[in-house]
Order: sequence, then structure tokens, then C-alpha cells
Amino acid sequence: AQRVTQPEKLLSVFKGAPVELKCNYSYSGSPELFWYVQYSRQRLQLLLRHISRESIKGFTADLNKGETSFHLKKPFAQEEDSAMYYCALHLPDRGSTLGRLYFGRGTQLTVWP
Amino acid sequence: NAGVTQTPKFRVLKTGQSMTLLCAQDMNHEYMYWYRQDPGMGLRLIHYSVGEGTTAKGEVPDGYNVSRLKKQNFLLGLESAAPSQTSVYFCASRTGALSYEQYFGPGTRLTVT
Repeated sequence: AQRVTQPEKLLSVFKGAPVELKCNYSYSGSPELFWYVQYSRQRLQLLLRHISRESIKGFTADLNKGETSFHLKKPFAQEEDSAMYYCALHLPDRGSTLGRLYFGRGTQLTVWP
Repeated sequence: NAGVTQTPKFRVLKTGQSMTLLCAQDMNHEYMYWYRQDPGMGLRLIHYSVGEGTTAKGEVPDGYNVSRLKKQNFLLGLESAAPSQTSVYFCASRTGALSYEQYFGPGTRLTVT
């Protein structure tokens, strides 16, 4: 079963419009959640982690345990936000303290001028 | 610091050929990971390592082998390449048990014909 679900493969908005990228997770404990971003032909890089409750490049994400969601939001999208966004859940591995990330399938965001 | 580097950047193989992908990190990270990225599938974990000399299977380990002879290097081997292994391969590393952020390499684009 998919641990992390990103229901939208593609999302398009116009510059200046609000954007929300959805992420739902499957875990009954206290989750460690992340958003990673991959700009065209670049490596993945960390955008946000829920534990730090920070805003990066105008993006925020709030953990909603009741809805098991960690949606990524930005009030005014910019063209340079166009990228692939991955939601990721860190879970401990069985029998070890290592843990690993489970990635969603990603949402390709396109911001039109 | 170079961070996480991967060699080669691109490679084309014929079915049945073998090759090794090299991942190197200069951050003294304990944990290293190999992922494959396929359209519509997100990132899937192939193998990972908690330290020098130790490796473990991820979600999609079949057809791959790994070795971690030195802490800074994590090798991914394909013994007999198949077209289904055409993908972009990403290596990542992480400091240790208390830090969940993974740092990614630039990727290796592999095509098997």
C-alpha cells in the first residue's frame, strides 16, 4: 500500500494565483514529513520539513493529523516555482533505528506567466 | 565540499551488459541510499546502507547489488542489465539516526536497449 499519496500528477496555475499541492500519508504514529523539490534536470533538494514549521520560498505546509495530510501551499505562485514536488514520510525501519523515506509519486507544478 | 556526486552522468547499455554506478559523499554521512526515479512512480528505494560494510534491501532490489566498502562510497551494480532498468538513478546520504534529511546526488540517466 502506498504510504504517501499525492493525488495530482499535474497541477497548473497562473502566476500570482494561490497554489496547494496535496499530500496524504498512512501512518498511525507521529510522522516526520518533508517536501522535496526537483527543478528541471536538477537534483532533489529539501524544501520543507514539518518539524521546523518554517516557510521557504514562500511555501508553507501544515501537518493535519486528523486528516493525515501535509499539504504544501503558497499564496502567490511564481514562474520559478515550476518543478516536480515530492512529499516524503520518514518511518523507522522494522528492527532498526535507521528509518527511511517513503516518497509520493510527485506532482509536476507548472506556473504560467 | 562537493556533497554527493555520482559517476557516470549518462550511460547506454545493451541488454545483458553489466555496469557499476558510483556514489561518493564527502560529508562523513553514515547512511546512504540508492533510488530509481521513473515517470509516474516517484522515487523507489533500491538498496541502502547504515554504515561501512552493511547493506539492506529496499522496495525494488531485484536485479541490483550494492557494496559499501568505504564509508564515503556506495556502489550500485547491475550484473545483467534489462530494459526495465532504464531509469534515472539517484544516490542520497544522511548524517545519522537523529537527522532525517537526505542529500541527493545529481542522478545517473541509464538507458538499456
